[in-house]
Amino acid sequence: DAGITQSPRYKITETGRQVTLMCHQTWSHSYMFWYRQDLGHGLRLIYYSAAADITDKGEVPDGYVVSRSKTENFPLTLESATRSQTSVYFCASRAGWQGDQPQHFGDGTRLSIL
Amino acid sequence: QKEVEQNSGPLSVPEGAIASLNCTYSDRGSQSFFWYRQYSGKSPELIMSIYSNGDKEDGRFTAQLNKASQYVSLLIRDSQPSDSATYLCAVISSGNQFYFGTGTSLTVIP
Repeated sequence: DAGITQSPRYKITETGRQVTLMCHQTWSHSYMFWYRQDLGHGLRLIYYSAAADITDKGEVPDGYVVSRSKTENFPLTLESATRSQTSVYFCASRAGWQGDQPQHFGDGTRLSIL
Repeated sequence: QKEVEQNSGPLSVPEGAIASLNCTYSDRGSQSFFWYRQYSGKSPELIMSIYSNGDKEDGRFTAQLNKASQYVSLLIRDSQPSDSATYLCAVISSGNQFYFGTGTSLTVIP
């Protein structure tokens, strides 16, 4: 059982390029999240989704686009990458919006923008 | 004021000692609390959840919750070098929003 998988695990690209990070979960969890983690900032929420075709902004959405056409997939796109978007990106999912449901994380994507 | 506050550390304890990690939160209506462990270069991994005041034990780990003081802690007994990691406190607020602390770095010295 894969749970939640992210791809690629590592990515190097150049400023101005479009980059898409993939996230796939096999649990049929309703909620999915994208975070970035930088030294000194902890986890910062970029976008989240409550269900297919429902997405909402988090704390740091600028420069990112998400979509969720299927429950199991939640890709994150950097439309024109900038060096400040160099970070480790984590996808997470949560079974429901009930108050006791934890989040579970994928292995992360380490993104470097030159 | 941040929703969840943790001392960033680093916290160093000798092998076999008790490590005590602390977390405070601002939303008095918060109901669910979690501890995640994150090894360097890895993703956060859920290790404990607690919902009621008091202690909850799981092996060498004990989570403690005091809602009146808005305080959550994690105790690790008989600390091992393999416990060296960053520990993230997470809180679900009264509005069902998930908030993470910035984490406390723990080093267990052999």
